Amino acid sequence: SAVISQKPSRDICQRGTSLTIQCQVDSQVTMMFWYRQQPGQSLTLIATANQGSEATYESGFVIDKFPISRPNLTFSTLTVSNMSPEDSSIYLCSVDSGGGTRAFFGQGTRLTVV
Amino acid sequence: RKEVEQDPGPFNVPEGATVAFNCTYSNSASQSFFWYRQDCRKEPKLLMSVYSSGNEDGRFTAQLNRASQYISLLIRDSKLSDSATYLCVVNLMDTGRRALTFGSGTRLQVQP
Repeated sequence: SAVISQKPSRDICQRGTSLTIQCQVDSQVTMMFWYRQQPGQSLTLIATANQGSEATYESGFVIDKFPISRPNLTFSTLTVSNMSPEDSSIYLCSVDSGGGTRAFFGQGTRLTVV
Repeated sequence: RKEVEQDPGPFNVPEGATVAFNCTYSNSASQSFFWYRQDCRKEPKLLMSVYSSGNEDGRFTAQLNRASQYISLLIRDSKLSDSATYLCVVNLMDTGRRALTFGSGTRLQVQP
């Protein structure tokens, strides 16, 4: 199993500002994943972060809005840039285990943009 | 059409009841299947994998029907602590990227 520490756990931010979310894993992992979960919705994959290369973004998500860093095999950050109220959501960091079939999640960051 | 569809519920059942959740998936190339549980304001956690032959873990039974692209979860003798959202998850096993697709979840409320 993997233990993932994600912070902050929650934040209330002004529109137009940016927030960086940190994710720390207790073991080295090749891929880290960032999700968004809006109220009452399923988890939506934002991007896959591989160490040493640029993140791969899913349709509807762009690097300028959600820049990601992956400086080493245990850490990643997601920045939500130029926030608007539509960005209010829970953001989750995740890693795989068991040959890529099982997902572990951080505790999530509950973001409210006012 | 959503890739993974679930009845959102909520399912309100009394303690001790048996409840079943269903899930359908659209991509026939999907190779592995799971049920995750998500408590309110918490992250999702794996409940159980779903195998072709069906599998059981205590009060929980999962079934897979590949021909119909249908997955089910049965909970027997419901407990108050079973109250949560249950997420159906499908994996395409696409190398190089995360291929887990999550349903929007089925909410269960077990009442005393």
